[in-house]
Amino acid sequence: GAVVSQHPSWVICKSGTSVKIECRSLDFQATTMFWYRQFPKQSLMLMATSNEGSKATYEQGVEKDKFLINHASLTLSTLTVTSAHPEDSSFYICSVPLEGYSYEQYFGPGTRLTVT
Amino acid sequence: AQSVTQPDIHITVSEGASLELRCNYSYGATPYLFWYVQSPGQGLQLLLKYFSGDTLVQGIKGFEAEFKRSQSSFNLRKPSVHWSDAAEYFCAVGAVNNAGNMLTFGGGTRLMVKP
Repeated sequence: GAVVSQHPSWVICKSGTSVKIECRSLDFQATTMFWYRQFPKQSLMLMATSNEGSKATYEQGVEKDKFLINHASLTLSTLTVTSAHPEDSSFYICSVPLEGYSYEQYFGPGTRLTVT
Repeated sequence: AQSVTQPDIHITVSEGASLELRCNYSYGATPYLFWYVQSPGQGLQLLLKYFSGDTLVQGIKGFEAEFKRSQSSFNLRKPSVHWSDAAEYFCAVGAVNNAGNMLTFGGGTRLMVKP
C-alpha cells in the first residue's frame, strides 16, 4: 500500500504560537490529501480536503483562517495551526486517497499536538 | 447523509476467544465499507474493505467481515483473538461530499484482550 508520513509525530507548543504539520506521500503523487482531527477516545473527524495547486475545501465548522492548509506539491501538504489554544490539542492525521480506488485512503501515523 | 454506528464502545475478550465487532451504516446508495485498526498513538491501518461481489470479505491478520444489506451491517469477526489485536477499531463508509470522495467513520470500538 501507499506510504504516508507525517512530521513531527509529537509537538508541544505554547498558547498563541503557530505549529506546522507536514504530510508526505512517499511513493506516489497525490493531488488530494485529507486532514482529520481526533480527540482522545473519539473518532476521526474530517477537517478539510487539501488540493494540490488550489485552495483547500474545509468541512463545516472548521475555521479556515485558524487551520491553514497548503498543498504546494504532489507529495506534500501542510497544516498550520495558527494562534494555537489548549482546545486545539488533538491528534491530527492526514490521509491520501488511492487513484482509481473509490474512497480508499491510506493514513499517516498522526501528529500529537499539545498546547500548553 | 451517511452515518456509521458502532454500538459497542468497549469490548473485552479472552485471548483465543472469538470476536465480533458490530457496525451499522446508513447510506442511500450501495455502500463502500471499510474496517480500520488503530494502535495507540498510531495512524489507521486498513483491515479489509467491501465494494461489491462476495459479501464475506477476508482481510489481514485473520479478520473477516460480512456485508448484510438487509440489516445495513458490516460486522467484523475473528475466530481467535491474539493479545496483539488489542486496539481501536473503526468502521467507515465511503460517500461523496462537495470536495469529492470521503470517508465517514463510526465512533470506534476499543478492544481489550485478557490473557
